[in-house]
Amino acid sequence: DVKVTQSSRYLVKRTGEKVFLECVQDMDHENMFWYRQDPGLGLRLIYFSYDVKMKEKGDIPEGYSVSREKKERFSLILESASTNQTSMYLCASSSTGGSRNEQFFGPGTRLTVL
Amino acid sequence: GDSVTQMEGPVTLSEEAFLTINCTYTATGYPSLFWYVQYPGEGLQLLLKATKADDKGSNKGFEATYRKETTSFHLEKGSVQVSDSAVYFCALSAYQGGSEKLVFGKGTKLTVNP
Repeated sequence: DVKVTQSSRYLVKRTGEKVFLECVQDMDHENMFWYRQDPGLGLRLIYFSYDVKMKEKGDIPEGYSVSREKKERFSLILESASTNQTSMYLCASSSTGGSRNEQFFGPGTRLTVL
Repeated sequence: GDSVTQMEGPVTLSEEAFLTINCTYTATGYPSLFWYVQYPGEGLQLLLKATKADDKGSNKGFEATYRKETTSFHLEKGSVQVSDSAVYFCALSAYQGGSEKLVFGKGTKLTVNP
């Protein structure tokens, strides 16, 4: 089974702190994604990566950055957290070959910024 | 740009009732279409998919048919169970700058009462 793990289920940070959200997948997937999920807005893509050290902006990249130094790990960074970044963050991965569109999701990290 | 519109929830049904969740899309080209499900406290998981017009995806008693003429992919189940209570997301595959990503609807929360 594909497994996507996220470093924390719940996180509480203060405004202005630098926040790291980590995601690891164990199926050698080329593609990795970060979304945020908010009530009434569904899932919105923040950043994605199709290869190591490669990144592309999604629909709402402002206030975020990412890092992919190894194939299995994709980190989301909030350089200076703000209250409007309080949300559920979901990581996903997918393979380039075969069922390339199918994304496998982690359990999510619920981030609260005070 | 590409987009997905699905019926607003919440939807509340009694056990064994018939379920329909409407989903329509706007896309250039011929995207693949998906339904994902999110059970309470978990990440998203793929429920079913269809990759071309007139394809029917099915899983766990759920079905959806890719209708190109009406640009729709409605989710149906003949007899829902309490365990089907979850949030359901319709999604399509889309290209952005030569890379492939998923575009999600806002989600429909389903509650099934015994």
